[in-house]
Amino acid sequence: NAGVMQNPRHLVRRRGQEARLRCSPMKGHSHVYWYRQLPEEGLKFMVYLQKENIIDESGMPKERFSAEFPKEGPSILRIQQVVRGDSAAYFCASTRTSGMNTGELFFGEGSRLTVL
Amino acid sequence: QQQVKQSPQSLIVQKGGISIINCAYENTAFDYFPWYQQFPGKGPALLIAIRPDVSEKKEGRFTISFNKSAKQFSLHIMDSQPGDSATYFCAAQTGANNLFFGTGTRLTVIP
Repeated sequence: NAGVMQNPRHLVRRRGQEARLRCSPMKGHSHVYWYRQLPEEGLKFMVYLQKENIIDESGMPKERFSAEFPKEGPSILRIQQVVRGDSAAYFCASTRTSGMNTGELFFGEGSRLTVL
Repeated sequence: QQQVKQSPQSLIVQKGGISIINCAYENTAFDYFPWYQQFPGKGPALLIAIRPDVSEKKEGRFTISFNKSAKQFSLHIMDSQPGDSATYFCAAQTGANNLFFGTGTRLTVIP
């Protein structure tokens, strides 16, 4: 039973380019969360999605960042016109149910974005 | 604003010793308090969790102590081993809302 799969694991972009990070949740999970981790910092919530719906995007920067979780395929976190401050590890997590505190939040191994 | 405050930032413990990591919160609506363990290059993984209706939960060498009145909870790792060396995050959540993480504690257990 594969866990949460994220790709790419490492991504290098130059300032102004676009970054696309993909996340396939665990089998049977329909709820996806994206977190950002800066060096020496904790995990910061970005967005919570269900299939075809954004449930909570209160942690997403207002510009350049977007996320989707289509009916078919992985969830995608998209960062347009990247800047150096976007360099971080981006983690995806999934759960089976809508309430995270009713079950474990399973994390992927992260996608590490470096902006030159 | 940091919803969950965690300390210490780093911790060095001798093998066989007790590791203690503390967290505090303000939002009394939080009703679920998990601890996550993260090894370098990996994603966080759930270690142990507690709800505020109990004051302690133990799983093997790992124990959560919860003080509802003080709005504090802590992780105790008994008989710490070098394999426990990792970063530990406390977290808190209410209902179906997102999980708020502490800033992490980097634990090093020296042989």
